[in-house]
Amino acid sequence: GAGVSQSPSNKVTEKGKDVELRCDPISGHTALYWYRQRLGQGLEFLIYFQGNSAPDKSGLPSDRFSAERTGESVSTLTIQRTQQEDSAVYLCASSLVGSPTDTQYFGPGTRLTVL
Amino acid sequence: QKEVEQNSGPLSVPEGAIASLNCTYSDRGSQSFFWYRQYSGKSPELIMFIYSNGDKEDGRFTAQLNKASQYVSLLIRDSQPSDSATYLCAVIGNYKLSFGAGTTVTVRA
Repeated sequence: GAGVSQSPSNKVTEKGKDVELRCDPISGHTALYWYRQRLGQGLEFLIYFQGNSAPDKSGLPSDRFSAERTGESVSTLTIQRTQQEDSAVYLCASSLVGSPTDTQYFGPGTRLTVL
Repeated sequence: QKEVEQNSGPLSVPEGAIASLNCTYSDRGSQSFFWYRQYSGKSPELIMFIYSNGDKEDGRFTAQLNKASQYVSLLIRDSQPSDSATYLCAVIGNYKLSFGAGTTVTVRA
C-alpha cells in the first residue's frame, strides 16, 4: 500500500510567519512520530502519538511548536512565529503499534526554509 | 554524552571492499537497534534491525550487537557505488528512536 506522505515537500517562509506541515501515515499504523533534521545532522525526536493516548511532546524545542493528530490518521505540525533556526527537514514516521520492536517508516519530509 | 554516537566519516572504501560502521549507545535499557540508509536529499530507509546479541545477516549486510559493550555495528560486504550514502544508527528504549548523527560512506569505483 501507500507509504507515509507529507506535504508540502518544500516550504519557504519569512521569519515570524506561522507554518503548518502535514503528515499522512501508513493506513492502519497507530503510532506516528515527528522528527527534525538540520543540515548535516542526525534526526531529533519532536513528538509521538499512539492511538488515543496523550502524546509525548518531550522533544518539542519550544512552545512555538505544536502538533495534533486526528484519531489514527493525519497529523499536522505547526510552528508559530518561525525563526531562522527552525530551517530544517521535518520528517514524519509511522509504525504499526509503537512497540520497541516496531519498524518506523519515514515519509519524504518537508524542507522548511525560514528567510 | 550523546545517546547514540557514530563516527561521522567520511568513510571511503574501494568497490568490492567491506565497509565497517560502528555505533555506541548510552542507555543500557535499549531494546532494539536499527540501521537506516539516507541518500542525499532523501528520507531514511530501513536496512536492518537487530534485537539480540550476536550477528544478523541480510544479503550483503551484517549487523552485530553487543549489549554488554553497548555497541552495534554494520558491515557492508562487496561494497557498491550505490551503497554511497549516510548510514544512521538508531536505538529504541521505549518507543522513541534516538539517532546518531550518521556516518557518510563513499564507495570508490
